[in-house]
Amino acid sequence: QKEVEQNSGPLSVPEGAIASLNCTYSDRGSQSFFWYRQYSGKSPELIMFIYSNGDKEDGRFTAQLNKASQYVSLLIRDSQPSDSATYLCAVTMRSYIPTFGRGTSLIVHP
Amino acid sequence: KAGVTQTPRYLIKTRGQQVTLSCSPISGHRSVSWYQQTPGQGLQFLFEYFSETQRNKGNFPGRFSGRQFSNSRSEMNVSTLELGDSALYLCASSLPREGTDTQYFGPGTRLTVL
Repeated sequence: QKEVEQNSGPLSVPEGAIASLNCTYSDRGSQSFFWYRQYSGKSPELIMFIYSNGDKEDGRFTAQLNKASQYVSLLIRDSQPSDSATYLCAVTMRSYIPTFGRGTSLIVHP
Repeated sequence: KAGVTQTPRYLIKTRGQQVTLSCSPISGHRSVSWYQQTPGQGLQFLFEYFSETQRNKGNFPGRFSGRQFSNSRSEMNVSTLELGDSALYLCASSLPREGTDTQYFGPGTRLTVL
């Protein structure tokens, strides 16, 4: 049973639109939640992390956490073609070693 | 502050050989984790070292081993290489116990086993 689930996509959005990426996790005791972006052939780079229920905003990115429903999402406002990448959700559960989802491929078309 | 560095960036080996990969964490980071990433399995945790001790281990065979030195630099070794070991090997460092446990990745080593 997968512990961190993401829709593999691809999610295709037009330039300027809001991209919404979702992630669900199985362990109710999960404590830390991360979003990474990975360009093809590159390593994951941290976008943001969130610990508490609610929204956390950083520039064009907003992370939303709902522990009761066990999901975390990432909104990208004013999407740009340069945002086209795979977005990885990571969750720390029983240990502080994060478990990664398989990622959602995002395509932003002009 | 310099990021995580990994060497070499690319490796080509044949089945049965062994390989050693190196990782230098961000200055001040004491935890180093290793991951294997393949298209089929995604990002899978290998092991984590902290203060020269393996603190966590993923579900990989004993052919995969690692160590950490007193300066926090880490090496990973894979013996008796198999074709299925072809992957991107990623090292990540973090500064645990500061409430973030955020992992920062190096550029990776692309291993190809022929």
